[in-house]
Amino acid sequence: DSGVTQTPKHLITATGQRVTLRCSPRSGDLSVYWYQQSLDQGLQFLIQYYNGEERAKGNILERFSAQQFPDLHSELNLSSLELGDSALYFCASSRQDRGFQETQYFGPGTRLLVL
Amino acid sequence: KNQVEQSPQSLIILEGKNCTLQCNYTVSPFSNLRWYKQDTGRGPVSLTIMTFSENTKSNGRYTATLDADTKQSSLHITASQLSDSASYICVVSARVLTGGGNKLTFGTGTQLKVEL
Repeated sequence: DSGVTQTPKHLITATGQRVTLRCSPRSGDLSVYWYQQSLDQGLQFLIQYYNGEERAKGNILERFSAQQFPDLHSELNLSSLELGDSALYFCASSRQDRGFQETQYFGPGTRLLVL
Repeated sequence: KNQVEQSPQSLIILEGKNCTLQCNYTVSPFSNLRWYKQDTGRGPVSLTIMTFSENTKSNGRYTATLDADTKQSSLHITASQLSDSASYICVVSARVLTGGGNKLTFGTGTQLKVEL
């Protein structure tokens, strides 16, 4: 158990819909990262937040957005869903982010299926 | 463009044997390189993390090497076990020059299967 929790574990929805994925980082971790992993593909970095502020952006679509709240939990919002958005969405957390080497701890993931 | 390439794509070895996985990258400015192990359907777990000045780092039966000049890394697994069957992912971190932080580039992984 990494200490990072994600809900829900599974999500099935239809095209055009909007969903929200939730992540609670490990206690004391200020950075939260979101990743997408499609079937048989590598992890794609989406976005990172540090202490409530956006820190880095990866290959995140405009239909997707995220935020980190004062209690440090984070939500990833996916809207106008398409079939191709079906994937595993991972959240990871780390203690800090100032260019220091650090380990990211990954949550169990949310499996999204868009029908 | 920042890229991380891993080889081989997949590998099958017998239990007890050693193996080496490769990672080549074109990421700059380089911050650090990590190896992760990911079991099917689960989140990645960190094995090692190395900065520019580190050439080798071990974690039990896992030994990672880094050649920052040639931009290559390897992960050597000694005396493989059935539980080593997983995807091994190389991740290279680039410093974000404006605003701080790091941007991670993931390799697509090497799928390792250890058989009896």
